[in-house]
Amino acid sequence: SQQGEEDPQALSIQEGENATMNCSYKTSINNLQWYRQNSGRGLVHLILIRSNEREKHSGRLRVTLDTSKKSSSLLITASRAADTASYFCATDAIGGFKTIFGAGTRLFVKA
Amino acid sequence: DTAVSQTPKYLVTQMGNDKSIKCEQNLGHDTMYWYKQDSKKFLKIMFSYNNKELIINETVPNRFSPKSPDKAHLNLHINSLELGDSAVYFCASSQEGGRGSPLHFGNGTRLTVT
Repeated sequence: SQQGEEDPQALSIQEGENATMNCSYKTSINNLQWYRQNSGRGLVHLILIRSNEREKHSGRLRVTLDTSKKSSSLLITASRAADTASYFCATDAIGGFKTIFGAGTRLFVKA
Repeated sequence: DTAVSQTPKYLVTQMGNDKSIKCEQNLGHDTMYWYKQDSKKFLKIMFSYNNKELIINETVPNRFSPKSPDKAHLNLHINSLELGDSAVYFCASSQEGGRGSPLHFGNGTRLTVT
């Protein structure tokens, strides 16, 4: 079964608005990552947050992690049409060599 | 310069055929992976290799045989293709078995079995 489950499955917003995506996971983690996938392309790493961190920023991205609730959120501020993509959360198995991806959120930003 | 490259980008074939997908990374990473993405975008790990050694085989049918001739290459051979094998297959690489180290993905091979 998938380690991460994302919510919502799809999100449509206007350019300039903020987009928030949520991810829940089931087991203990060392870190959680977010990736973006543009149509027809491979996944691209966006940001990693470690289990001892609560919040992390990178440009217009803000990630939070709540290990007590086993959940994370990705906020994209001031969205642009170019942000249209699928976004996935991912966690590493404790022993490594196995990164497990959530089902993804499809974000559509209308110009 | 492409970091993780896989060929071919598209593969259309008939049931029962055998096909291969090649992957190469020039990042100097130790760990390479094959992932399968289905039509609903679910991404599932198939195999991971570290320094040419198989580490993870995620209950993939033995019709799928990965081969790593060196740590920069991980190829995937599929025998007796079935309709259900239609998907996009992604190769990826990372340092340190992915523990805290991001995965770098190729652009995928879209396999269509008719």
